Amino acid sequence: AQKITQTQPGMFVQEKEAVTLDCTYDTSDPSYGLFWYKQPSSGEMIFLIYQGSYDQQNATEGRYSLNFQKARKSANLVISASQLGDSAMYFCAMREGHRPWGGADGLTFGKGTHLIIQP
Amino acid sequence: ETGVTQTPRHLVMGMTNKKSLKCEQHLGHNAMYWYKQSAKKPLELMFVYNFKEQTENNSVPSRFSPECPNSSHLFLHLHTLQPEDSALYLCASSQGGDGYTFGSGTRLTVV
Repeated sequence: AQKITQTQPGMFVQEKEAVTLDCTYDTSDPSYGLFWYKQPSSGEMIFLIYQGSYDQQNATEGRYSLNFQKARKSANLVISASQLGDSAMYFCAMREGHRPWGGADGLTFGKGTHLIIQP
Repeated sequence: ETGVTQTPRHLVMGMTNKKSLKCEQHLGHNAMYWYKQSAKKPLELMFVYNFKEQTENNSVPSRFSPECPNSSHLFLHLHTLQPEDSALYLCASSQGGDGYTFGSGTRLTVV
């Protein structure tokens, strides 16, 4: 079973509109972290936002916010007032477990959503 | 330099060649990772290193050989690769479970 599911392979959105990118996850670990990354055509993975499983409030970073619905195992990314430069691949990822300082856990990624912002 | 730096950015190699990918992080992180990104597939975690010791190998074929001489440097040695190994190889680092930072990747083409 997939641990991270992104159901939107591609999306077209008009500039200045808000965008919601879907992400559902599957884990039995009570402690986990959820990440969103942006990958432009250049290839680098750019960190956008993080939500910990015990965080009481939804994470926000500038125009990015994470709609965290723990019971539904959903962690959707919301981009407000989209811009042409937002066109890119967007990946949802999860770290399972909680490592104290000095640990190491890889992230599990979804297949991504290709977002295209139209003028 | 800051962040995570990967070299080369692009690499074309024949199936009988031997080449190496290099990753360097200037963030003081303890953990480093290799990921493979193929077209239309999620990123696949290949190797995990923590304080230069390998802690995870996700059933990667032996034609990929990682090396981590210290916590700041990570290499991926390649030999007798197959065309299906063509992909974007991404390096990342983290401090425990936080601050995952990726490099720009090496786009590898095997001919």
